[in-house]
Amino acid sequence: DAGVTQSPTHLIKTRGQQVTLRCSPKSGHDTVSWYQQALGQGPQFIFQYYEEEERQRGNFPDRFSGHQFPNYSSELNVNALLLGDSALYLCASSNPTDTQYFGPGTRLTVL
Amino acid sequence: AQSVTQPDIHITVSEGASLELRCNYSYGATPYLFWYVQSPGQGLQLLLKYFSGDTLVQGIKGFEAEFKRSQSSFNLRKPSVHWSDAAEYFCAVGGGLTGGGNKLTFGTGTQLKVEL
Repeated sequence: DAGVTQSPTHLIKTRGQQVTLRCSPKSGHDTVSWYQQALGQGPQFIFQYYEEEERQRGNFPDRFSGHQFPNYSSELNVNALLLGDSALYLCASSNPTDTQYFGPGTRLTVL
Repeated sequence: AQSVTQPDIHITVSEGASLELRCNYSYGATPYLFWYVQSPGQGLQLLLKYFSGDTLVQGIKGFEAEFKRSQSSFNLRKPSVHWSDAAEYFCAVGGGLTGGGNKLTFGTGTQLKVEL
């Protein structure tokens, strides 16, 4: 049974560019949450998707947006990248009565 | 607002020694509490969780944690540390299991170093 998968593993962008990160949830899970983990910090909640809609949102600007597809996979989009967006982006999947399980993350570097 | 405090940024223990990592939380209702472990450059692996019931919970890799409501704490323990336990440990609080697990709020982590 495959766990949560994320792509790409690493990504390098320049300031002002846009980026799309992808996540496939664990089999049987229908909810996807995204977190940003800056170096030396704990993960910070960005938003959560359920039934293709954003259910909850953390304290992140509108430059951060997402989408969930009918197969429950999800994308995180970040526009107008800033140096401060450099971080490990973690995706977690769950179902309504389960714990969140995390993927390996995507390391984004903004130059 | 929910929050988590992990007062120890770094901890060093000798292999075979016991371990306790501290976690204090703030939450307005019954909390759902978690411990995750992260190896360098990796994602988070769930060690254990507390939802309700017995306040002493057992997890993977020989870890356990005790929920103490009166102290708002959920400390992680292991009786004998192995060199492979060296990693960063995160405590997290969630607001329940309505509709998909709810958001998690993490502490800043405790970096564990194991001396051989």
